[in-house]
Amino acid sequence: DQQVKQNSPSLSVQEGRISILNCDYTNSMFDYFLWYKKYPAEGPTFLISISSIKDKNEDGRFTVFLNKSAKHLSLHIVPSQPGDSAVYFCAALDGEKLTFGTGTRLTIIP
Amino acid sequence: KAGVTQTPRYLIKTRGQQVTLSCSPISGHRSVSWYQQTPGQGLQFLFEYFSETQRNKGNFPGRFSGRQFSNSRSEMNVSTLELGDSALYLCASSLEGVYNSPLHFGNGTRLTVT
Repeated sequence: DQQVKQNSPSLSVQEGRISILNCDYTNSMFDYFLWYKKYPAEGPTFLISISSIKDKNEDGRFTVFLNKSAKHLSLHIVPSQPGDSAVYFCAALDGEKLTFGTGTRLTIIP
Repeated sequence: KAGVTQTPRYLIKTRGQQVTLSCSPISGHRSVSWYQQTPGQGLQFLFEYFSETQRNKGNFPGRFSGRQFSNSRSEMNVSTLELGDSALYLCASSLEGVYNSPLHFGNGTRLTVT
């Protein structure tokens, strides 16, 4: 049973435009959410996080939105750059146990 | 500051064998967790160790085990390997745990079981 779902396996966006990556979850016990980026042959790197008491967190070009009633979060990247091409994982915390989604491959088109 | 180091980078084993993977966390980090990444399944949590004690465990069979040493280095062992164990195994460390500090991942060990 996939508790964290990223329903879009891939996404292509023009350079300079906004990239929106989506994530849905089913476990209402999740209280902390994170996004990680992964390049080939490297481990994931932390991007941005949000606590369940907030609905938005911003860090430079990256903004994460959380809609608790819909059990949905999204990552916005503005403007998108070629170096943003990677696989993006959302993850949710319940206790110290982190559950990841299956990832979305983002391709930025120059 | 050195990152999380995982050895070896690649392993090829035969069904039925056992394997041990090693992870050296960032200096000062006390929490080490392990993940399995397979196509279509994303990253699945195996277990987390903190100060030599297993603090959390995922839904993997008992063939998967781990331990953490006093210097925070961690090992993961998989016994009686099955073809389905072929995956990228990632180790991550953090200062105290994910709530207080983000996970830092190593580059993984790619295990192939034939």
